[in-house]
Amino acid sequence: DIQMTQSPSSLSASVRDRVTITCRASQSISSYLTWYQQKPGKAPKLLIYGASTLQSGVPSRFSGSGSGTDFTLTISSLQPEDFATYYCQQTYNTPRTFGQGTKVEIK
Amino acid sequence: QVQLQESGPGLLKPSETLSLTCTVSGDSISNFYWSWIRQPAGKGLEWIGRINTSGSTNYNPSLKSRVTLSLDTSKIQLSLKLSSVTAADTAVYYCARGGLWGLDSWGQGTLVTVSS
Repeated sequence: DIQMTQSPSSLSASVRDRVTITCRASQSISSYLTWYQQKPGKAPKLLIYGASTLQSGVPSRFSGSGSGTDFTLTISSLQPEDFATYYCQQTYNTPRTFGQGTKVEIK
Repeated sequence: QVQLQESGPGLLKPSETLSLTCTVSGDSISNFYWSWIRQPAGKGLEWIGRINTSGSTNYNPSLKSRVTLSLDTSKIQLSLKLSSVTAADTAVYYCARGGLWGLDSWGQGTLVTVSS
C-alpha cells in the first residue's frame, strides 16, 4: 500500500494568514493526488484533484501543487469558513489511501 | 446533481454482519466507480473498497476477507457487507462517487456502532 503522510497534523492560524499543508507519498504517484476539506459532522468535500486542478465551485484561494511524492495545499488568505480538517488521498492505485489529516484551527 | 444516501442498522453486536445500502439519485450510476469509506470517531478516513457498474471490485487488503460490495443497477443502490464485526468497526460509513480524479460526491454518512 502507498503510505500518505501529511504535515503538520494540526496548525493554528489567523484569518487572512497564508497556510500551507504538505502531503508526502511513500512512492511516486505522478499527479494522482486529491485534497479534501472536512468540517465536523460533515462528509469530506473535494477541493483539488490531479494535484492542482480546482474542483468547480471551490474558491480560488485554494491551490495545489506537486508531483511524484511531494505535494502541497495552499490557502492564500484563510477565511473563517476554512477552519476544518484537510486530507490528501492518492488515486494512483488501490487501495486508495488517505493522509492522516491536518486540522486547521483558529489562533 | 447526484445525491447519495446511506442507510442501515446503527447498532450491531460483535460477530454480526454489517449491511449498509447507499441509494443514488439525480444522475446515472454508469461509467463511475462507487466507493465506501469509513471514519472512526475523531480519527481519519479509511478506504474500504469500490465497485463499478461492470461489477469490477477493489478492496482494501486489510478488510478484504470480510467485505463484499455489490451494485443493484435497477434500484440504483450500492451495498456494503462487512462480516464478523468487532468494536474496531465502529465508525461513520460513507458512500461516494469517483475514480481517478477523486471522490466528488459523498453521502452524509451513517454511524454504525458495534457493542454487546
